[in-house]
Amino acid sequence: EAGVAQSPRYKIIEKRQSVAFWCNPISGHATLYWYQQILGQGPKLLIQFQNNGVVDDSQLPKDRFSAERLKGVDSTLKIQPAKLEDSAVYLCAVTSGGGWQFFGPGTRLTVL
Amino acid sequence: AQSVTQLGSHVSVSEGALVLLRCNYSSSVPPYLFWYVQYPNQGLQLLLKYTTGATLVKGINGFEAEFKKSETSFHLTKPSAHMSDAAEYFCAVSGPYNFNKFYFGSGTKLNVKP
Repeated sequence: EAGVAQSPRYKIIEKRQSVAFWCNPISGHATLYWYQQILGQGPKLLIQFQNNGVVDDSQLPKDRFSAERLKGVDSTLKIQPAKLEDSAVYLCAVTSGGGWQFFGPGTRLTVL
Repeated sequence: AQSVTQLGSHVSVSEGALVLLRCNYSSSVPPYLFWYVQYPNQGLQLLLKYTTGATLVKGINGFEAEFKKSETSFHLTKPSAHMSDAAEYFCAVSGPYNFNKFYFGSGTKLNVKP
């Protein structure tokens, strides 16, 4: 059974500050995703990991965003420095055995 | 790259009425198709999926969707709306060449009136 925990659930920061999000899948999943969901839009893929390696980070703004996956399990996403347009919900997902993606509850980031 | 179009960013129905949420995809080769529901302050929850086989797919909470290859569509329906169905619904596709990459539509917010 898939399960994904994310922390924190909410974060408010000022622009130019740094922030980090954590994703903790309950059981082992080879593929892990980070999505950005801006209000009123669908999720947009930021980065995809296969075990520890990055498969796709073409949409990740690499000048300010970074992500890593530790030992093929947990993952962190960092923004440094944050901009106003980074205000969004950041979703972590893993691939289930049935080929669909299982999502965590997300972290809502507000940049003031 | 795939694209997913959801017609109507907001749909409003009365309780007990038919729910129809539209989704079209761009690929000429059938991909995998999914509908997700998102309640406020929650992540996305899978409603149903089509991979292969029967084109009419039944999901949770009384929802179903039909894959129509000729129309490149995967519309979501429910015969009778319930107040608890009020949420945002996202259509997603993966494949047909890379089933690990998902493309999401922009979502349809369903409002259910008493």
